Amino acid sequence: KAGVTQTPRYLIKTRGQQVTLSCSPISGHRSVSWYQQTPGQGLQFLFEYFSETQRNKGNFPGRFSGRQFSNSRSEMNVSTLELGDSALYLCASSPGDLSWQQYFGPGTRLTVT
Amino acid sequence: QKEVEQNSGPLSVPEGAIASLNCTYSDRVSQSFFWYRQYSGKSPELIMSIYSNGDKEDGRFTAQLNKASQYVSLLIRDSQPSDSATYLCAVNRAGAGNMLTFGGGTRLMVKP
Repeated sequence: KAGVTQTPRYLIKTRGQQVTLSCSPISGHRSVSWYQQTPGQGLQFLFEYFSETQRNKGNFPGRFSGRQFSNSRSEMNVSTLELGDSALYLCASSPGDLSWQQYFGPGTRLTVT
Repeated sequence: QKEVEQNSGPLSVPEGAIASLNCTYSDRVSQSFFWYRQYSGKSPELIMSIYSNGDKEDGRFTAQLNKASQYVSLLIRDSQPSDSATYLCAVNRAGAGNMLTFGGGTRLMVKP
């Protein structure tokens, strides 16, 4: 099976702009979770989507949003970018059943200048 | 107190030795525990999952869980230089879907 794919892999944006990141989960997986990884805060949970519904949300401001499509692909959006949003954004795919095992994509490296 | 705590390391072990990585968690309703390996510049890779008290072995890896002590560990036998990476402990809480809470990671260095 193909793994989790994320696009784009690298992105440079300016403060105040917005950005959309995309994630395609492993075929057959219905749950997609998003995480932010920074050197200072480590890996932090953003939100999880399951069957097009947000199932859980982490402690991030409303500038961070996401959605999931009927084919389980997911996008996350960050509006009004701040310098502190520079991070590696990781998408994790899970079957969505009770296994809870999640498999990460390669990530999108976002740099905000 | 952080929800999931790990010693940041680096933990240095000689090639062929056993590496022991530890993790403690604070939420008593945690139900699923995972170890991820992350090489520098790469994304985390799932290497072990454990759900009940005791030991779980997979090749050179053994995960140990003690829910009473809120403690989970990972043993790597016959450590190889290719095991040098950051090891992340992740915990899932009951009723939280697939939300994982990660520790800060332990950097392991295996010296030839």
